[in-house]
Amino acid sequence: GAGVSQSPSNKVTEKGKDVELRCDPISGHTALYWYRQSLGQGLEFLIYFQGNSAPDKSGLPSDRFSAERTGGSVSTLTIQRTQQEDSAVYLCASSSGSPQETQYFGPGTRLLVL
Amino acid sequence: AQSVTQLDSQVPVFEEAPVELRCNYSSSVSVYLFWYVQYPNQGLQLLLKYLSGSTLVESINGFEAEFNKSQTSFHLRKPSVHISDTAEYFCAVSPIGGGYNKLIFGAGTRLAVHP
Repeated sequence: GAGVSQSPSNKVTEKGKDVELRCDPISGHTALYWYRQSLGQGLEFLIYFQGNSAPDKSGLPSDRFSAERTGGSVSTLTIQRTQQEDSAVYLCASSSGSPQETQYFGPGTRLLVL
Repeated sequence: AQSVTQLDSQVPVFEEAPVELRCNYSSSVSVYLFWYVQYPNQGLQLLLKYLSGSTLVESINGFEAEFNKSQTSFHLRKPSVHISDTAEYFCAVSPIGGGYNKLIFGAGTRLAVHP
């Protein structure tokens, strides 16, 4: 596709429910990143994928958060038993893989936990 | 570990005036440096980056930033701003050597350009 796409664009859920957020990277991009943008914490790195493996998961805030990537393309970020503090905009970015290459960001998924 | 400080959370400025958005970083290793911009209701876009070489880097829309290693700074400047520059600007660093770009962002500076 032309750019990174994310779905849904908005998600409202009740505390305790599970949610899945999807990211479609730019075709051919081997590196994929998830970030979170929240009022209290700013922009935070969550996880990095190279292909289907995740060599850096250091930013995942708790074991309620997990992510996977299949076929070297689509990635899903899952939040189990959502809490109000999970409310944020979840951003996905992809790049060609070289550290010097630009990361292209998607429009984000705005998550609101009631 | 790395950290990025953007001292100004908001910068109001009149159209055609110069502007400087400040960014300082802390890191125990060498880093790449970036400025990203987020226009209202849009996603993050790369504005410019410093990887190596000349310490002054420029964007296509008139912004420039200078890497100052001794002061660990990467301030963003524009000599004359337009209304369309109204946006939030994020400074970020990425540690060199990890084989990938783990971006560590500052808190952002909201630039508001007034007529």
